[in-house]
Amino acid sequence: NAGVTQTPKFRILKIGQSMTLQCAQDMNHNYMYWYRQDPGMGLKLIYYSVGAGITDKGEVPNGYNVSRSTTEDFPLRLELAAPSQTSVYFCASSYSGGQGAPEQYFGPGTRLTVT
Amino acid sequence: GESVGLHLPTLSVQEGDNSIINCAYSNSASDYFIWYKQESGKGPQFIIDIRSNMDKRQGQRVTVLLNKTVKHLSLQIAATQPGDSAVYFCAEKSLEGGGADGLTFGKGTHLIIQP
Repeated sequence: NAGVTQTPKFRILKIGQSMTLQCAQDMNHNYMYWYRQDPGMGLKLIYYSVGAGITDKGEVPNGYNVSRSTTEDFPLRLELAAPSQTSVYFCASSYSGGQGAPEQYFGPGTRLTVT
Repeated sequence: GESVGLHLPTLSVQEGDNSIINCAYSNSASDYFIWYKQESGKGPQFIIDIRSNMDKRQGQRVTVLLNKTVKHLSLQIAATQPGDSAVYFCAEKSLEGGGADGLTFGKGTHLIIQP
């Protein structure tokens, strides 16, 4: 299994540009997540999804959109990039149910710079 | 709001010594506490978790202690090795609502292993 994969690894955007961060997992996990990590900080939840067609906001959703058309893919969309969105973005997935199985598997991250 | 935080940003220990990384939390409703290890340029990797009704759990070279009275969590790493150098995050998870929402992360402690 490849686990959780993310593309691209790095990206530089100009203010106002748009882009989609791709995330895919091959573990048949129902739950998927997007986090951002600012320098020297912990991760903050942007959006999450409990299954195809279902998404929900996390702690910091403003400026982002997500979709979940399949179990495997969970892309994150930035419509009008702002310098405040400069961060490292991590996608994660986990088994559904939550009872006794909180482990989330993380991708390698996408480093985004907005100038 | 509720948060999970760490006492020390950097911890330096000699190779072979034991390391103790501390974490304070404020959400008494959390059901699980989890430790993640993040190496430079990589996504967080699960180390060990502990359910809120336990006070100690051991893994391979790691022990997590939970003191609910003072809302304190610690990660002990025995006989530290160079490969233990990383940033360590504590995170908490509530199973309320099915447990689908994400983790709440603390800021992180950078563990440096001196030769």
